[in-house]
Amino acid sequence: GENVEQHPSTLSVQEGDSAVIKCTYSDSASNYFPWYKQELGKRPQLIIDIRSNVGEKKDQRIAVTLNKTAKHFSLHITETQPEDSAVYFCAASLLQGGSEKLVFGKGTKLTVNP
Amino acid sequence: EPEVTQTPSHQVTQMGQEVILRCVPISNHLYFYWYRQILGQKVEFLVSFYNNEISEKSEIFDDQFSVERPDGSNFTLKIRSTKLEDSAMYFCASLFRAGELFFGEGSRLTVL
Repeated sequence: GENVEQHPSTLSVQEGDSAVIKCTYSDSASNYFPWYKQELGKRPQLIIDIRSNVGEKKDQRIAVTLNKTAKHFSLHITETQPEDSAVYFCAASLLQGGSEKLVFGKGTKLTVNP
Repeated sequence: EPEVTQTPSHQVTQMGQEVILRCVPISNHLYFYWYRQILGQKVEFLVSFYNNEISEKSEIFDDQFSVERPDGSNFTLKIRSTKLEDSAMYFCASLFRAGELFFGEGSRLTVL
């Protein structure tokens, strides 16, 4: 089955700096890669996702890149703000027949210091 | 904005007791899921449900677990005889078609 590795487990940056979180996946059939942000005690919320037919996607300060050959994808947050502090999870799945089972990485605790 | 709702938000139970966690998925969604998150750990897939039957389940989802959609709106997770290691946050999620999975706020289960 799919296995997702995520690094680093913790990341501390100064406000205004960039943050990069990296994930690798094992199943070359996976074709959908979402990123979730989870604040303490809250539900995971989708912040950006990418499908395997695209190499990069950007939404304001957030971007995701995908390298299918190497089976890795990354989240980039630019101009970080204290409210970006949270745990970020990457995930991978195979979209098939509309259903998807997400396999999550272990999470990265991002701290943005003012 | 429509959302997935879960009850209870927190349940404390004694080991060996049965627990039912309830979820109301978004009304036009077709696929339903339960995930769990042990404190400080990653979110883990338990089970997916489509067309009134389980479509996939993980190794965590053993005979002590069951899911049901008793009516057109509710989706429940039952744990027959709880163990200490079942203590976790349980998230229900739903999906219309391929794409964003919407999570509920979670039900925290504490087994004593």
